[in-house]
Parts: sequence; C-alpha cells; structure tokens
Amino acid sequence: SQQGEEDPQALSIQEGENATMNCSYKTSINNLQWYRQNSGRGLVHLILIRSNEREKHSGRLRVTLDTSKKSSSLLITASRAADTASYFCATDATGTYKYIFGTGTRLKVLA
Amino acid sequence: NAGVTQTPKFQVLKTGQSMTLQCAQDMNHEYMSWYRQDPGMGLRLIHYSVGAGITDQGEVPNGYNVSRSTTEDFPLRLLSAAPSQTSVYFCASSYLLAEPGTGELFFGEGSRLTVL
Repeated sequence: SQQGEEDPQALSIQEGENATMNCSYKTSINNLQWYRQNSGRGLVHLILIRSNEREKHSGRLRVTLDTSKKSSSLLITASRAADTASYFCATDATGTYKYIFGTGTRLKVLA
Repeated sequence: NAGVTQTPKFQVLKTGQSMTLQCAQDMNHEYMSWYRQDPGMGLRLIHYSVGAGITDQGEVPNGYNVSRSTTEDFPLRLLSAAPSQTSVYFCASSYLLAEPGTGELFFGEGSRLTVL
C-alpha cells in the first residue's frame, strides 16, 4: 500500500490565488519531499523537509510538516497558469532508500 | 546534459511477449529505481538499486526483473507481458546520501507500454 495520500485529489483555482495541498502518511518518517509533474512528463523535485523542521520556504512554495499528525502541506502562493501540474509527496519511511510516493493532487490554475 | 534517458518512449506488446525497458543516467548516481504510474494510483515502486550489483524489490515487483551491472544502466525486464502491465514506466536516479530519503530524484521522461 502507498505511504502517502494527497488531498484533495484535484484542485482548480484562479490565477493569483493560493493553492494548498496536503499529504498524509502512515508511518514515522525522517524526511519528506514534494515533486511536480507536468502532463506527460517526468517528475521534478521541488523541496525537501526534514522531520526536525516544521516549515520551509522556496520561492513561492511553503511546505509544512506535522510529524504528530503525520501530515505535510504544500502551499503555492500567487499561483500562475504555469503551475498547472500534478504534485506528489514522497517519503522513505523505512530508511532503506525505498522512496514511496503518494497518489498526487492535480492542480489546475485558470488564467 | 542528458540526465536520465529512457527507451523506448512507446511500446505495444502482445500478451506473453517479453521486452526490456532501458534506463541510463550520466550523473554517476549510485541510486536508481523504476516506478509505474497508473491513473489514480500515483507512482508505485517496482525495483530499486543502491549500487552496481545490488537490487531490491519495491511495492509491486511481480512480473518484473532488474539487474545492475554498471552504475549507468538499470534495465527493467518484463518476462511475459500481461495486460495488467499496461502503464507508464518511469526511471529515477539520485546520489546515495548518508541520510536516506534526502537524495533528490531525477526522473526520465517515461516509457508508455501497452499490452494487448
């Protein structure tokens, strides 16, 4: 079974709005990563957050991690049409370099 | 700057046929892995390798074989294709960092396989 479950499955917003997507995972982790996938393309790494970090920023991205709730959120501020993509969280719960991905959130930003 | 190269990009097989999906990376990454992506299922790990000569099973290894004879290449073999193996396959690689789960995965562009 998959480690991560993203919520919502799909999200549609207007350009300029903020987009928030969540990732819930099942077992304790040390690190969590977020990836982006444009339609029909390979995934691209966005950001890494460690278990001892609560929040991390990278440009318009803000990631939070709540280890007590086993969840992470990805916030994209001031969204653009080019942010239209699917977003996935990934964890290595077992510490064996076995990266497990969530089911993803499909984001559509309307111009 | 080739990165991770997957071939073929598209393939149609008949049930029972065998084939190999190729994956090559030129970044000297120790870690390589194969995923399949199906609608609504996200990415599921098939097999992975932490170095030449070392492979291990992921979440969905049945029906697939791998080997890692060199650092650069990590082929995925389907011995007897089944319609359930119709999917998009992604190869990914990264440096093998001391802290598991921190290496940034670099993905290929995918191989789209249809089994009739």
